[in-house]
Amino acid sequence: GNSVTQMEGPVTLSEEAFLTINCTYTATGYPSLFWYVQYPGEGLQLLLKATKADDKGSNKGFEATYRKETTSFHLEKGSVQVSDSAVYFCALSDPLSGGSQGNLIFGKGTKLSVKP
Amino acid sequence: DTAVSQTPKYLVTQMGNDKSIKCEQNLGHDTMYWYKQDSKKFLKIMFSYNNKELIINETVPNRFSPKSPDKAHLNLHINSLELGDSAVYFCASSQDYGFGRSRETQYFGPGTRLLVL
Repeated sequence: GNSVTQMEGPVTLSEEAFLTINCTYTATGYPSLFWYVQYPGEGLQLLLKATKADDKGSNKGFEATYRKETTSFHLEKGSVQVSDSAVYFCALSDPLSGGSQGNLIFGKGTKLSVKP
Repeated sequence: DTAVSQTPKYLVTQMGNDKSIKCEQNLGHDTMYWYKQDSKKFLKIMFSYNNKELIINETVPNRFSPKSPDKAHLNLHINSLELGDSAVYFCASSQDYGFGRSRETQYFGPGTRLLVL
């Protein structure tokens, strides 16, 4: 079945440090891949997405590239800020399973804390 | 102009009670979802629904039932609440362009924090 595995947290970094959060997936079809972010006490917001192999999603300085050969979608940011402290979720949507709506399958989330 | 809204934001209730959580979206989407986030932040789909089909995750107890009065609303009704139902419940919506093309972004509500005592 489809699944998403992401690195376990928590991850603690100093401001301006480089961030990588690893994410790998297994899927039966050709999924779209997403990174969602959940700030403390809030709901999930889409951070970025990629819908096919070699696509790069980017937003707010974050980037992730859809790598079909390694089934990965690692999240990176060159210089993190305190305001980036949140829980980050990798997810996939595969319309070929779970009906036509393409339910999101989430990883377990990685908590990031950025210290000043 | 909130895109996906949920009420209530917090819900504290006793075991055995029946409760409902409401969700509304003003995005014109025709597919809506309910997710459950447990205490370890793990998110899992419960239901997805549009006017064509309801898909139920087979692990969801039948005490949980989605009810959709119209395309913009998908409410979650829970019977005989149990301690293990304590979680954050998220509603989401997306546009459904049909089988094989449903890869559009899902927009999430702010969540309803349910505590069963």
